[in-house]
Amino acid sequence: GAVVSQHPSRVICKSGTSVKIECRSLDFQATTMFWYRQFPKQSLMLMATSNEGSKATYEQGVEKDKFLINHASLTLSTLTVTSAHPEDSSFYICSARVVTEPTEAFFGQGTRLTVV
Amino acid sequence: DAKTTQPPSMDCAEGRAANLPCNHSTISGNEYVYWYRQIHSQGPQYIIHGLKNNETNEMASLIITEDRKSSTLILPHATLRDTAVYYCIAGGFKTIFGAGTRLFVKA
Repeated sequence: GAVVSQHPSRVICKSGTSVKIECRSLDFQATTMFWYRQFPKQSLMLMATSNEGSKATYEQGVEKDKFLINHASLTLSTLTVTSAHPEDSSFYICSARVVTEPTEAFFGQGTRLTVV
Repeated sequence: DAKTTQPPSMDCAEGRAANLPCNHSTISGNEYVYWYRQIHSQGPQYIIHGLKNNETNEMASLIITEDRKSSTLILPHATLRDTAVYYCIAGGFKTIFGAGTRLFVKA
């Protein structure tokens, strides 16, 4: 199957700083990428949908100024957590689809963010 | 996306078949059923998907009822490495996760 790579896999940052997470589709072009966050013992929650060359669409309750998403190319989307706080500590996961359904989504390995 | 209902947890003996049920009674005619699994601290892994017909691949089989209101994922010979949370998703372009089923495969 197609490969989606996330970087970094783990990051620790200080409160008030920003951290960028990269999501790359390695062997296909992803017109759409999705960003999720997952708290311990909970399911994945969709944060936003990112389309190449256009503004991301955020799910209800997700602060777009807090979680900046850029999808500048067909193989790269980035999520920047701005002015991070300890409550932003979570597991962030991206996914990508090749074309519209019925193809499956391919997921990155996730990024564990810890804000201290 | 149609809502799905799955049992919160299931046990299975190693080497036996694991049958994971999913109810999606509000699924619409053009919505597919997808199954993914997530092993602890990793990103979800695609398993299988289908629309109406039963499907089989190297990982699993998917049985969808004729009325499409429910489906069963079958892992034919479960191994310890199949211990994971299994998510059934009925829908569209966005992958919206429910609570899933936590499958424990025991030796």
